[in-house]
Amino acid sequence: DVKVTQSSRYLVKRTGEKVFLECVQDMDHENMFWYRQDPGLGLRLIYFSYDVKMKEKGDIPEGYSVSREKKERFSLILESASTNQTSMYLCASKQGAGETQYFGPGTRLLVL
Amino acid sequence: AQSVTQPDIHITVSEGASLELRCNYSYGATPYLFWYVQSPGQGLQLLLKYFSGDTLVQGIKGFEAEFKRSQSSFNLRKPSVHWSDAAEYFCAVGAGGSQGNLIFGKGTKLSVKP
Repeated sequence: DVKVTQSSRYLVKRTGEKVFLECVQDMDHENMFWYRQDPGLGLRLIYFSYDVKMKEKGDIPEGYSVSREKKERFSLILESASTNQTSMYLCASKQGAGETQYFGPGTRLLVL
Repeated sequence: AQSVTQPDIHITVSEGASLELRCNYSYGATPYLFWYVQSPGQGLQLLLKYFSGDTLVQGIKGFEAEFKRSQSSFNLRKPSVHWSDAAEYFCAVGAGGSQGNLIFGKGTKLSVKP
C-alpha cells in the first residue's frame, strides 16, 4: 500500500526557531512536493524535487528551503520561523508526469 | 497560466440527496484532472482522476466526474450523499512538464444535514 509519512502531526515553535519538517515515502517515487494549506487559499506549492539533490521553487518559496539527500526523504526547513508561517503543511510524492500524487497526513505548525 | 476554479466555497446537502461539485479549469492542452477529498485534520485522498479516454470517470466511495472539454469543466457527482461524505473537496489540474505539478482549486466544503 502506498505510504507517505510526515514526522509530526502537530508542532509548536517559537518565532525565530529553525524548524525541520520531514517527509518519507516508500514508493520509490522520483518527485516529491511540499505544500502549505490555509483556509480559503487552498494548497500552494512551496518547493518540489524531481530527483535526489534536485529542487525547484514553487509558488511561495520565500522563507523556506528544502533538502533531498535520499530519494525517499524530502525535508522542508523554516530557517527562522515567523508567525505568518503558521499553517498546515502537506507533503506529497508521485512517480512521473500525469501520475497520481499521494499525500501525507499533514503537519499542523503553530509559530508563537 | 493554468488555473482551477471551484465556484462554491461551501455547500450543504441533505443526507440521501444528490451532489454536484463544480470545477472549471484553464489549461492549454488536454489536462490531467483530479478530485481529492480531505477529512478534517487529514491529508488528501484521491477520489478519481481523468487522463484520457472515456469522459465519465468512476471513483471511490460512489463518486463520479465528467470531463467536458467544451465547458472546461470536471464536475464531481454522487447520486446519494452519506453523512460520512462531509469533508472538503479539491479539484486539481496537472500542470504538465516532466514533473507534473498540480494546480489546486481553493476547495469546496461539504456539509451534510441529517
